[in-house]
Amino acid sequence: NAGVTQTPKFQVLKTGQSMTLQCAQDMNHEYMSWYRQDPGMGLRLIHYSVGAGITDQGEVPNGYNVSRSTTEDFPLRLLSAAPSQTSVYFCASTRVGVNSPLHFGNGTRLTVT
Amino acid sequence: GQQVMQIPQYQHVQEGEDFTTYCNSSTTLSNIQWYKQRPGGHPVFLIQLVKSGEVKKQKRLTFQFGEAKKNSSLHITATQTTDVGTYFCAGAGGSQGNLIFGKGTKLSVKP
Repeated sequence: NAGVTQTPKFQVLKTGQSMTLQCAQDMNHEYMSWYRQDPGMGLRLIHYSVGAGITDQGEVPNGYNVSRSTTEDFPLRLLSAAPSQTSVYFCASTRVGVNSPLHFGNGTRLTVT
Repeated sequence: GQQVMQIPQYQHVQEGEDFTTYCNSSTTLSNIQWYKQRPGGHPVFLIQLVKSGEVKKQKRLTFQFGEAKKNSSLHITATQTTDVGTYFCAGAGGSQGNLIFGKGTKLSVKP
């Protein structure tokens, strides 16, 4: 099993550009989420989804959009990149239920200049 | 909103010394999970604690969940260089039980 696959691994954007970070999982997990990790800030939840067609905001949703058209895929869109969005982004998935551990992808390191 | 505080932020130890990181929540948790992130890697699930006062061990790692289910700790006995990384606690919160992560404790081990 591939688990959670994120692409790309690295990306450099200029301010104002748009891009989509891809996330796919092959474990048939209902729950998928996006976190960003900044030095000294831990992991902060951006958006999450509990199933196809259902998305909701996390702690830091501004500047990001998501959609969930299939169980497998949960892309994260930056419509107009800003330097404050320079970060490492992790996608994670799990089965629905409070006792389920998160499975993380390898991350995307994004730099916005 | 719910907050999960974790201390210390950094810990430098000599190989063979013990290490402990502490996690405190502003609200009662249904469960707490611990993750380890190696340098340059992604968080990897270590363990989950569910019951009040629960203690679990994984070789040299001991995890505890407080009686009030608002705090937790991870203790590593006789650290090794392979223990290097950042350790995160995460508590379930929010309407969907989203995990709220502490800021992590970065452990470095000097051989």
